[in-house]
Amino acid sequence: DQQVKQNSPSLSVQEGRISILNCDYTNSMFDYFLWYKKYPAEGPTFLISISSIKDKNEDGRFTVFLNKSAKHLSLHIVPSQPGDSAVYFCAASAISSGTYKYIFGTGTRLKVLA
Amino acid sequence: NAGVTQTPKFRILKIGQSMTLQCTQDMNHNYMYWYRQDPGMGLKLIYYSVGAGITDKGEVPNGYNVSRSTTEDFPLRLELAAPSQTSVYFCASLGGASTNEKLFFGSGTQLSVL
Repeated sequence: DQQVKQNSPSLSVQEGRISILNCDYTNSMFDYFLWYKKYPAEGPTFLISISSIKDKNEDGRFTVFLNKSAKHLSLHIVPSQPGDSAVYFCAASAISSGTYKYIFGTGTRLKVLA
Repeated sequence: NAGVTQTPKFRILKIGQSMTLQCTQDMNHNYMYWYRQDPGMGLKLIYYSVGAGITDKGEVPNGYNVSRSTTEDFPLRLELAAPSQTSVYFCASLGGASTNEKLFFGSGTQLSVL
């Protein structure tokens, strides 16, 4: 049972435009969410996080939105740059229960076209 | 500050051989994790540890063993390698509240079982 889903395997966006990556989860106990970026042959690197007490978090060009009722979160990248081309993973955990057991989605490959 | 270090970077095993993937972190993190990433797939949690002497199964633990005798080290053991274990393995550690509960990843070990 896939508890964290990224239903779009790939996404292509023109440079300068907005990239929107989506993530859905099924476990209502999840209360902390992370987004990671991964380049080939490297480990994932942290981008941005959001707690369930918030519905939005911003960090520079990156904004994450959380819709708890829909069990959906999205990552917005504005403006998109060619260097943003990578695979993006969302991850979720129920940290209020003290487990810190992070479950990852299957990833979305973003290609930003110059 | 090296962060999370994984060795080896690459390994080829024959079916039935055993090996240990090493992981060490120098950030004094209590939580450590092992994930695998199959081609075109997301990160699947194999095992995780909440501190020295404490380990727990993740999503795909079969065929693997772990131990956590120190805070720094979290080795992953494959006893009887199978082709289904061909994957890229990532170790991660978790920073606590001071670093927003985010995972720090190593650069990965690419394992082929032939």
